[in-house]
Amino acid sequence: KAGVTQTPRYLIKTRGQQVTLSCSPISGHRSVSWYQQTPGQGLQFLFEYFSETQRNKGNFPGRFSGRQFSNSRSEMNVSTLELGDSALYLCATHPGTSNYGYTFGSGTRLTVV
Amino acid sequence: AQSVTQLGSHVSVSEGALVLLRCNYSSSVPPYLFWYVQYPNQGLQLLLKYTTGATLVKGINGFEAEFKKSETSFHLTKPSAHMSDAAEYFCAVRLDSGGYNKLIFGAGTRLAVHP
Repeated sequence: KAGVTQTPRYLIKTRGQQVTLSCSPISGHRSVSWYQQTPGQGLQFLFEYFSETQRNKGNFPGRFSGRQFSNSRSEMNVSTLELGDSALYLCATHPGTSNYGYTFGSGTRLTVV
Repeated sequence: AQSVTQLGSHVSVSEGALVLLRCNYSSSVPPYLFWYVQYPNQGLQLLLKYTTGATLVKGINGFEAEFKKSETSFHLTKPSAHMSDAAEYFCAVRLDSGGYNKLIFGAGTRLAVHP
């Protein structure tokens, strides 16, 4: 069965631009979470979506937003990009049952110049 | 508040030696605990998880971890290191609150394996 697919794998953007990242979960996985990974801050939780609703949000500014579609695919958007937004953005999905391990995608490497 | 501490940002072992990566957690409720591995330019791969039941958990690639409530620890071990084990390892605890949940990660331990 296909894994978690994140597109694109690499992205270079200029400060002030906006970017949209995509995550397609494993079939049957209804929960999609997003994490930001940087050398300085490590892995930090951005938000979680379940059945098209944002259930949980981390401590990130409003420039970071997301959504989930009826087929459970999720997108995250970052507006007015800053240099500090350069990071690996990881998507993690799970079926929504209690005893689970999250399955991660390979990530999108965003570089802001 | 729940948190995870990984002791040692870098660990170096010889091929064939025991691997021990340390993880301590703090949690006000019975935790769900995870170990993930990350290879360069890759996402995170689940090695093993503890939810309930047996405290010694076996995972993939010969790794195992033991949940010790009295020590609030979940250390990862492998009896004999292989060159392919060189990677970064993350311990995580799942925080559940109000019907939603998220993973809280430790800072990671980079494992080097030398011949």
